[in-house]
Amino acid sequence: DADVTQTPRNRITKTGKRIMLECSQTKGHDRMYWYRQDPGLGLQLIYYSFDVKDINKGEISDGYSVSRQAQAKFSLSLESAIPNQTALYFCATSADSNQPQHFGDGTRLSIL
Amino acid sequence: GQQLNQSPQSMFIQEGEDVSMNCTSSSIFNTWLWYKQDPGEGPVLLIALYKAGELTSNGRLTAQFGITRKDSFLNISASIPSDVGIYFCAGQKPGGTSYGKLTFGQGTILTVHP
Repeated sequence: DADVTQTPRNRITKTGKRIMLECSQTKGHDRMYWYRQDPGLGLQLIYYSFDVKDINKGEISDGYSVSRQAQAKFSLSLESAIPNQTALYFCATSADSNQPQHFGDGTRLSIL
Repeated sequence: GQQLNQSPQSMFIQEGEDVSMNCTSSSIFNTWLWYKQDPGEGPVLLIALYKAGELTSNGRLTAQFGITRKDSFLNISASIPSDVGIYFCAGQKPGGTSYGKLTFGQGTILTVHP
């Protein structure tokens, strides 16, 4: 979805480095989500936020943190990256909990 | 975390053939969604289903929300090369701490031979 922008699109870094992935949206949605995609496992929820003051852990939050800087911005951080965090990361938004989620084009992260 | 059981994992078909894939779960969902993901892109919503028994079409795509609320299927008729990609089902549970969160299937990789 062109209204959900993720940066960077690709990143290669080393073990132990701190990394931030950013997501911004122009859809005006309150709800934002971060997912991780590994081959054969579909998408797994890392963190989600229902508004600027609300942050919730998903299924696989260990090793990750998030910040909801504004309604339109939701960033994901890896404080000390490790190789098994190599994956595709997707940001998504939704208008409310009954509406479908709309995804960005993803960030491909490789940790050496 | 819990995942939906999506099958088949992959399909290789000839252009013009019909395709069917499905998702099942041991628990009830109040919404079923079907997404398609092209290489290098994020999942794009194809069809959303909100009521048990609902049958919804989007062009050559048809999806149904199972009556038990524990399953859904997606059919693609007269496949074309651009149907190639990964198809994901996703379910949303009613209320509680899971409210608003999606659970995804593992995906079906579709290859269409011209």
